Amino acid sequence: EEQLLESGGGLVQPGGSLRLSCTVSGFTLGSFAMTWVRQAPGKGLEWVSANSGSGGSAYYANSVKGRFTISRDNSKSTLYLQMNSLRVEDTALYYCAKIPGNYDFWRGPVSWGQGTLVTVSS
Amino acid sequence: QSVLTQPPSASGSPGQRVTTSCSGSFSNIGRNIVNWYQQLPGTAPKLLIYDENQRPSGVPDRFSASKSGTSASLAISGLQSEDEAEYYCAVWDDSLNGYVFGPGTKVTVL
Repeated sequence: EEQLLESGGGLVQPGGSLRLSCTVSGFTLGSFAMTWVRQAPGKGLEWVSANSGSGGSAYYANSVKGRFTISRDNSKSTLYLQMNSLRVEDTALYYCAKIPGNYDFWRGPVSWGQGTLVTVSS
Repeated sequence: QSVLTQPPSASGSPGQRVTTSCSGSFSNIGRNIVNWYQQLPGTAPKLLIYDENQRPSGVPDRFSASKSGTSASLAISGLQSEDEAEYYCAVWDDSLNGYVFGPGTKVTVL
């Protein structure tokens, strides 16, 4: 059974940094593109970033470009999201999700974790 | 503001058929496949429909979807109380070079 487990969320001040992790099991991380999607409290889903199975290709939403970096360590079955220069509006539940293909970003996420909460507040 | 448009709400009585729409443009729905996600209250989203009209294993055939031009739609037939949830359409946008979600439709079972 596939499992995705996010961690690393917490309370951080505006301008601060945080690194989220997503550890997967039940499939080989390096064979699949992965994505981060967030959901602000009481709001809808917002795509954040995605990278290819090798990590060599990455895409970002305009709202996080230049501040967030997606990466992965396939040997550790772990996806990361480094978040810098955090803003109050980055407060959200962050989900990692698997894409059914190595570079098939257009196919969208198919399996999701349970999310980790990031709160940006002074 | 999302580049996709969904009605904020839809409702029906048990057993009825409910539909909801998702409107986009050539750069997203017009060129790429649409997925639909169901999010029950307090839970993570779940893939409901992929590749525009395919159901993952375990999704009842009461759920169906279609696409025409730059619009897509989701239909729930034989509405059940457990279908009360938020439903999101989603698709890759070639102009934004990113994945976009619609704002969601809250389906209420009366």
